Amino acid sequence: EDQVTQSPEALRLQEGESSSLNCSYTVSGLRGLFWYRQDPGKGPEFLFTLYSAGEEKEKERLKATLTKKESFLHITAPKPEDSATYLCAVRGSNDYKLSFGAGTTVTVRA
Amino acid sequence: EPEVTQTPSHQVTQMGQEVILRCVPISNHLYFYWYRQILGQKVEFLVSFYNNEISEKSEIFDDQFSVERPDGSNFTLKIRSTKLEDSAMYFCASSQYRGLRETQYFGPGTRLLVL
Repeated sequence: EDQVTQSPEALRLQEGESSSLNCSYTVSGLRGLFWYRQDPGKGPEFLFTLYSAGEEKEKERLKATLTKKESFLHITAPKPEDSATYLCAVRGSNDYKLSFGAGTTVTVRA
Repeated sequence: EPEVTQTPSHQVTQMGQEVILRCVPISNHLYFYWYRQILGQKVEFLVSFYNNEISEKSEIFDDQFSVERPDGSNFTLKIRSTKLEDSAMYFCASSQYRGLRETQYFGPGTRLLVL
């Protein structure tokens, strides 16, 4: 069974203080690692898909990287509007479903 | 930008009642999903649906659950006899492709409260 573990559970940052979120995974035949952003009471909003080790994707202050066992979401010089829960999910070779981690809740203080 | 929509945004029901949650996927998408998120817990997969058939379902998706695409735009999740433990946020998702380049886009959710 696919397993996704995210750390830390919560992260409090000062505006401009860069940091990284970790997603470690176990999956049979990775067919995609996905990062989503979720605001309170809302649905997950797609950010990135990574498919193979060494791949990197960037969007504004966010950069996602992938190794064979984990992914990192780097937040560079965050702003208060980056405050959200960041979810990591994987899809295995025999699956249609996404398996999600519990998320990291990021709070950025001005 | 096209988006997945869901109605209602909130639903309160009594235990044992039937509820139908509705979703309008993105218009050119062919693959549809339901997930749920119990308060404070992970997003959990329920079911995937393509070409009027269930492609995959989880252990949660038992006989009290059913899905339907009644017309060309709607996708519904029915819970026949709700239980207290069905209280959760229910998310619909859709994707255009299946396979390596698939991306699932989620709706805003329906918050279901069973009393």
